[in-house]
Amino acid sequence: AQSVTQLDSQVPVFEEAPVELRCNYSSSVSVYLFWYVQYPNQGLQLLLKYLSGSTLVESINGFEAEFNKSQTSFHLRKPSVHISDTAEYFCARPRGQAGTALIFGKGTTLSVSS
Amino acid sequence: EAQVTQNPRYLITVTGKKLTVTCSQNMNHEYMSWYRQDPGLGLRQIYYSMNVEVTDKGDVPEGYKVSRKEKRNFPLILESPSPNQTSLYFCASTSTERALGYEQYFGPGTRLTVT
Repeated sequence: AQSVTQLDSQVPVFEEAPVELRCNYSSSVSVYLFWYVQYPNQGLQLLLKYLSGSTLVESINGFEAEFNKSQTSFHLRKPSVHISDTAEYFCARPRGQAGTALIFGKGTTLSVSS
Repeated sequence: EAQVTQNPRYLITVTGKKLTVTCSQNMNHEYMSWYRQDPGLGLRQIYYSMNVEVTDKGDVPEGYKVSRKEKRNFPLILESPSPNQTSLYFCASTSTERALGYEQYFGPGTRLTVT
């Protein structure tokens, strides 16, 4: 069965430090991958996505993720975090070919403190 | 503005009292889904629909019903809610265009508490 595994449930960091949130996926012929962010008391927002082409994808607020086929990973990184990045982050992929659902990882809570 | 709306946003109810959470999207999407979010478990799909009158079970369908009589609406029905259905619920809709990779657009969530 297809799966997504987020390796860290909580990641505490200080402001302006770099951060990496790890995500591994089960291998498949074609893979679409997403990172969603959920700020406190809000719904999910798409942060970035990998569909094809360049393996490095970026978001508008400084996050980036690299699709690594050999390691079946899609880790999310930011070189310098802000307090406002405090949120829960979910890695996700479509289920099978039909795209009728997303399979989510269990989430990583990023806590940024000063 | 393209959006998915859910109502109510917050609901406290008692065990066994039937309730419906509504979901509506204005993007003409064929696919719609319901998820529940629980701490440490991430989001899990309850039901999905590929079009009007076409629905199927997700990963955790027990205790829930859905219907899809109109393309824009996908209500979630709990006929006899129990405390283990206390959760945060999200409705989502999906574009079928391959280029968009089937990403899903999420509603704002409904926080349900069953006492």
